[in-house]
Amino acid sequence: DAGVTQSPTHLIKTRGQHVTLRCSPISGHKSVSWYQQVLGQGPQFIFQYYEKEERGRGNFPDRFSARQFPNYSSELNVNALLLGDSALYLCASSGAETKNAAQHFGDGTRLSIL
Amino acid sequence: DAKTTQPNSMESNEEEPVHLPCNHSTISGTDYIHWYRQLPSQGPEYVIHGLTSNVNNRMASLAIAEDRKSSTLILHRATLRDAAVYYCILMALRGSNYKLTFGKGTLLTVNP
Repeated sequence: DAGVTQSPTHLIKTRGQHVTLRCSPISGHKSVSWYQQVLGQGPQFIFQYYEKEERGRGNFPDRFSARQFPNYSSELNVNALLLGDSALYLCASSGAETKNAAQHFGDGTRLSIL
Repeated sequence: DAKTTQPNSMESNEEEPVHLPCNHSTISGTDYIHWYRQLPSQGPEYVIHGLTSNVNNRMASLAIAEDRKSSTLILHRATLRDAAVYYCILMALRGSNYKLTFGKGTLLTVNP
């Protein structure tokens, strides 16, 4: 079975541009979360969606937004890119809304801002 | 969020057991203890989780102290593929927040 898939794997943008990152969860998983991982740090929570509704938001500016589609795939959008947005963006899916459910991560999108 | 404390790094030899400690003295009664690991150039991978009792799965064992203020992830026979950053995370059941709060984790080096 396919795991969590993210696209693209790598992306280069310049300051001020916007970017859309995509995530397909494991088949049957209805919960999708997004994380940002800066080099040398652990992942930081950005958003969680369940059944197309936002269930959690981390401490990120309004330039960051996300949505979940009827097929449970998700997009993360970042506007007005800054150099500090350079990071690995990770998507995770879960098969349940319960808080003891395992999160299954994709291998991420590496975003570089020039 | 309740905080966890882990050593920055640990070293082990191949085929030997590894005990990775985690302190969480401010854990609440309904916090689950999760462990994830991240291999180089990959996303985090779920390892194991527990609440009060010790847990075993095909990857590892989780030993939870009786007062739940600490836990230990046990890899019974380390392999080179176990070299990774290991994260100990508390998942709170209070409220509607489902986020995983990662710290810096423990970098495990496995020597051949």
